[in-house]
Amino acid sequence: GAVVSQHPSWVICKSGTSVKIECRSLDFQATTMFWYRQFPKQSLMLMATSNEGSKATYEQGVEKDKFLINHASLTLSTLTVTSAHPEDSSFYICSARKTSSGGQFFGPGTRLTVL
Amino acid sequence: DAKTTQPPSMDCAEGRAANLPCNHSTISGNEYVYWYRQIHSQGPQYIIHGLKNNETNEMASLIITEDRKSSTLILPHATLRDTAVYYCIVSPLMNSGGYQKVTFGIGTKLQVIP
Repeated sequence: GAVVSQHPSWVICKSGTSVKIECRSLDFQATTMFWYRQFPKQSLMLMATSNEGSKATYEQGVEKDKFLINHASLTLSTLTVTSAHPEDSSFYICSARKTSSGGQFFGPGTRLTVL
Repeated sequence: DAKTTQPPSMDCAEGRAANLPCNHSTISGNEYVYWYRQIHSQGPQYIIHGLKNNETNEMASLIITEDRKSSTLILPHATLRDTAVYYCIVSPLMNSGGYQKVTFGIGTKLQVIP
């Protein structure tokens, strides 16, 4: 199998605080991971591509200083939402591309609510 | 921008076949058709993919027209648990080398009715 986990599954935080979301590939190595954001009743929007050992590539309109991505190992990528505001409340989903045989596998998502 | 067009919603009676269409008239020669689905408040789940031949697995069948400009995902016996948003995506083969990012359209919300 190819399992991707995310932690936490949901988080509530106060405005102005930072929140870290972890994405792990549990049974495979992933050189590349992707971070998506999904607002209610909308589709998934790609935020950035995370490559192990290098800087992330951000999509147009996504602030790299606000959404910090670290991909320090072949099984872990983290997304930190800095100085979160209510408009950052969303469903954040990661996916991991299996290095050995390919294919993209998605995590279960993290529901972020900023009060 | 997504390169696919899907109807925003469909209903299907439980136990019947669900046929979900997708148009991808600008598909390139090296692009595959992938289908994912997203059950409410979960991450997308891979269903099936194909290049030009029809494909079948334990979840669904994929029928691709000869000109590859459209395809249909078939769930042979829909159950209530198949209620989800279904996304049709075109992409180079995801297990090839290099960088591919998946772009999601709005998908089709399939409601399976008891």
